[in-house]
Amino acid sequence: GEQVEQRPPHLSVREGDSAVITCTYTDPNSYYFFWYKQEPGASLQLLMKVFSSTEINEGQGFTVLLNKKDKRLSLNLTAAHPGDSAAYFCAVSPIASSSFSKLVFGQGTSLSVVP
Amino acid sequence: GPKVLQIPSHQIIDMGQMVTLNCDPVSNHLYFYWYKQILGQQMEFLVNFYNGKVMEKSKLFKDQFSVERPDGSYFTLKIQPTALEDSAVYFCASSWDRNTEVFFGKGTRLTVV
Repeated sequence: GEQVEQRPPHLSVREGDSAVITCTYTDPNSYYFFWYKQEPGASLQLLMKVFSSTEINEGQGFTVLLNKKDKRLSLNLTAAHPGDSAAYFCAVSPIASSSFSKLVFGQGTSLSVVP
Repeated sequence: GPKVLQIPSHQIIDMGQMVTLNCDPVSNHLYFYWYKQILGQQMEFLVNFYNGKVMEKSKLFKDQFSVERPDGSYFTLKIQPTALEDSAVYFCASSWDRNTEVFFGKGTRLTVV
């Protein structure tokens, strides 16, 4: 079945710098991709949902890139600030005809943004 | 925004005993899920539930596990009997439809001793 590898497990950047988190997946038929943010003591918060038809997706203060050829999904936080400090998880929905109800998660990245 | 509440946040139980993890999903949601995260590992799908029935389950969903949502109340995960390897954080989630945003709770940390 689908396997998702997320790197790095820990990341520390200075305020204003960019932070990049990457996930690779194995199933070429995967169609939906997600990035979640989890602040300490809080639940997972959906940052962005990406469809396989769109390679570049922009959010508020971040960009998500999908490279289907390399089966790689990345989250690029531009100009990180201390409020971005959290755990980030990617998740993949394995097949095009499936639902969001059986997500395969990456291992998570603990991001620390220092002033 | 919509919230999924999990009660309790931490539970310690003796091996072999029964435990029930409670989840209060978003009020109008119809699909419910449990995920398991062992310390230091990724979150893994256990089961999804709709219309009173288990729709899909993973190999992690052992025979000792069961889920139910009696009369639209809490969505529960019961483990009977518990084993040491059941120690993990269990996340409940819900969604309105199978292709709409899934909302997660904060998790219940289960420690089996």
